[in-house]
Amino acid sequence: ETGVTQSPTHLIKTRGQQVTLRCSSQSGHNTVSWYQQALGQGPQFIFQYYREEENGRGNFPPRFSGLQFPNYSSELNVNALELDDSALYLCASSLETTSDTQYFGPGTRLTVL
Amino acid sequence: KQEVTQIPAALSVPEGENLVLNCSFTDSAIYNLQWFRQDPGKGLTSLLLIQSSQREQTSGRLNASLDKSSGRSTLYIAASQPGDSATYLCAVNRDAGNMLTFGGGTRLMVKP
Repeated sequence: ETGVTQSPTHLIKTRGQQVTLRCSSQSGHNTVSWYQQALGQGPQFIFQYYREEENGRGNFPPRFSGLQFPNYSSELNVNALELDDSALYLCASSLETTSDTQYFGPGTRLTVL
Repeated sequence: KQEVTQIPAALSVPEGENLVLNCSFTDSAIYNLQWFRQDPGKGLTSLLLIQSSQREQTSGRLNASLDKSSGRSTLYIAASQPGDSATYLCAVNRDAGNMLTFGGGTRLMVKP
């Protein structure tokens, strides 16, 4: 059973550009949550996808959007990048939305110059 | 709006010491609380999960307690080791939906 994987590992973009981050959930997990972790801070919830539908959203602007595919992998898209978007982006998968256990991926480090 | 605070922000102790990490939250209407470990630049590993109806959970040298009415949780680490050096995060779940609110973390350094 493979764990949660994320790609790419690191990414450098310039202000105003768009970025897509990818997450492959653990086998059989239908729920994926995305978090943003700025340097020295705790993760902040961005949104959650369940069976290809957005199931909840944190306090992030609409330029943060996502997708979940039939195989339950997921993408996080960020448009019009700002310097403050520089962070570690984590995804986590769980068997169901109500499962107690979430499994986190290693994250994608995004740097916006 | 739920806010989670962790004190201290950083802690340095000699090997072998017992230590306590603190977590407080503003809204006591939680579903569960979790403690995570994060190594530098890495993802999160779940250490302990306490349901709102429970008072504590233990795993090896780790013990976590929960006082929901006062909005507090503590993580007790016994006989600390250099391998325990990491950032420890607590997170609360307001319902069964796994949309976590995290504290800022405590960065722990255990010196040999």
